[in-house]
Amino acid sequence: AQRVTQPEKLLSVFKGAPVELKCNYSYSGSPELFWYVQYSRQRLQLLLRHISRESIKGFTADLNKGETSFHLKKPFAQEEDSAMYYCALSKSYNTDKLIFGTGTRLQVFP
Amino acid sequence: GAVVSQHPSWVICKSGTSVKIECRSLDFQATTMFWYRQFPKQSLMLMATSNEGSKATYEQGVEKDKFLINHASLTLSTLTVTSAHPEDSSFYICSARGWDKRGTQETQYFGPGTRLLVL
Repeated sequence: AQRVTQPEKLLSVFKGAPVELKCNYSYSGSPELFWYVQYSRQRLQLLLRHISRESIKGFTADLNKGETSFHLKKPFAQEEDSAMYYCALSKSYNTDKLIFGTGTRLQVFP
Repeated sequence: GAVVSQHPSWVICKSGTSVKIECRSLDFQATTMFWYRQFPKQSLMLMATSNEGSKATYEQGVEKDKFLINHASLTLSTLTVTSAHPEDSSFYICSARGWDKRGTQETQYFGPGTRLLVL
């Protein structure tokens, strides 16, 4: 069965510190991986997806098939990055069903 | 662009009554919409995939007769919680599949969610 694991429920850092939100997945095929973000009192929105290979708001994520990981990184955290981050997996490239991790709350202190 | 709305944003109902939640894609057509459920401090769990003009596909463990889904048009899907009970109290979120700003990739756009409280 497919599964997405986010081991940290809460990650607290100071502004300017590097951030890494961990995500591991289990799936025997070739998945598409996503990071979604939910800011306070806002809806869930797509942050980035691995096939785009983009940097969004300074965040990057690299798919490591050997380690089955898709960790989200940012070299210098900002206060406005404080939010709930969800890693998600889709079994195909047409964004079919999404399987979400349990989420990591990122708190960036001034 | 690519805005998804849900109505109502919150609802309180008595046990045994039915509640309908609407999900609309406001500025794009969505042949596929998804319904999720989220319990406090837990992740989103996919309940069903709603396809315009055909029956919804439910995930394992989700009761079809309990959670009725109708996708009558390309911009509207509804979820009806029938004979609601307190254990149905949850946060229900829909998403609609549409093209991104550049028109290069399809992605899921999420609604703001509907909080249901069954007394």
